[in-house]
Amino acid sequence: NAGVTQTPKFQVLKTGQSMTLQCAQDMNHEYMSWYRQDPGMGLRLIHYSVGAGITDQGEVPNGYNVSRSTTEDFPLRLLSAAPSQTSVYFCASSRRGRYSPLHFGNGTRLTVT
Amino acid sequence: SQQGEEDPQALSIQEGENATMNCSYKTSINNLQWYRQNSGRGLVHLILIRSNEREKHSGRLRVTLDTSKKSSSLLITASRAADTASYFCATDATLAGGTSYGKLTFGQGTILTVHP
Repeated sequence: NAGVTQTPKFQVLKTGQSMTLQCAQDMNHEYMSWYRQDPGMGLRLIHYSVGAGITDQGEVPNGYNVSRSTTEDFPLRLLSAAPSQTSVYFCASSRRGRYSPLHFGNGTRLTVT
Repeated sequence: SQQGEEDPQALSIQEGENATMNCSYKTSINNLQWYRQNSGRGLVHLILIRSNEREKHSGRLRVTLDTSKKSSSLLITASRAADTASYFCATDATLAGGTSYGKLTFGQGTILTVHP
């Protein structure tokens, strides 16, 4: 199984541009989430989804949109990129349940100039 | 805000030695998890300990949890060069009877370097 697949691996944007980070999982997991990782900050939750059609905000949602039209896909949209959004973005999925660990993709490294 | 604080921030040891990393958190939790991240890769789940457990083992890993002190430790015994990575603790603060939805709060991580 591929697990959680993120594309692209690297992206450079200019301030004000928009783009979509793709995330797909083939484990039939109900829950999916997006985190960003910044030096010295650990990972912070951006948005999450508990199933197709259901999304909610995490700790740092401003400047990002998500949708979940299928169980497999959970894209993250940057509406108008800002240098503060330079980061490494990780998508994760997990099964329903109180003790289900997260499965992570390999990340997208985004630079906004 | 970060739930977990990890120390040390960096740890350098020789192969064969034990490595201990500590994690403190602020609120009541449902469970605490440890993840490993190799350079340039995603995080990989290592072990989960529930709030009603005090110690858990998995291979060369030993995790302890002290809910009265709001702290946890990860011990890696007989370290290998391949253990070189960053290690993160993550807490699930879902209230009893609630559903976590996969929302975790991560610490800042400990960078472990194991020299051959």
